[in-house]
Amino acid sequence: DAGVIQSPRHEVTEMGQEVTLRCKPISGHNSLFWYRQTMMRGLELLIYFNNNVPIDDSGMPEDRFSAKMPNASFSTLKIQPSEPRDSAVYFCASSPRTGSYSNYGYTFGSGTRLTVV
Amino acid sequence: GDSVTQMEGPVTLSEEAFLTINCTYTATGYPSLFWYVQYPGEGLQLLLKATKADDKGSNKGFEATYRKETTSFHLEKGSVQVSDSAVYFCALSGTGNQFYFGTGTSLTVIP
Repeated sequence: DAGVIQSPRHEVTEMGQEVTLRCKPISGHNSLFWYRQTMMRGLELLIYFNNNVPIDDSGMPEDRFSAKMPNASFSTLKIQPSEPRDSAVYFCASSPRTGSYSNYGYTFGSGTRLTVV
Repeated sequence: GDSVTQMEGPVTLSEEAFLTINCTYTATGYPSLFWYVQYPGEGLQLLLKATKADDKGSNKGFEATYRKETTSFHLEKGSVQVSDSAVYFCALSGTGNQFYFGTGTSLTVIP
């Protein structure tokens, strides 16, 4: 099992450019989560999907952020236009299932370190 | 709502010292509890979990016991190594469809 695969590992872009982060969850996992991690705010849940359907996007900071999951094996997080304050590490995680009192852990990818200059 | 509170860091210990990282939770019902570890430059990895009261999760010499009476899930290790230097996150799976993570505790072990 290759685990959760994220690409790219590092991204440096100029303010105003579009950025697309990619995630391949573990095969058979029905739930996918996008997180953002910064020193100031810690780990923040941005959005999560269940069976490819977005369930809760209340953590998406602004309309500049969008996420899609066109099929069970691929998801993207897009920032357009990007701003310096978007600089962070973005993690994707997947889980076999989610729900109240779930005892299934999350498997995290290695993250994408985004720097907007 | 559901939440997790863990001790502030950073924590610095000498090799072979005893480690405790405190974690308390607020939740209705019977949440599952987890500890995750994040090594530098990597994602979070599941370290251990417990799914009901009095359960003890253990892995790699780390242990944590689910204490419903004190709403706690403290992480312990009897003898830390330099390789244990990382950030540790307590997490809860409760009534919502997501996990609730603590703010993380940074541990540095010096030789």
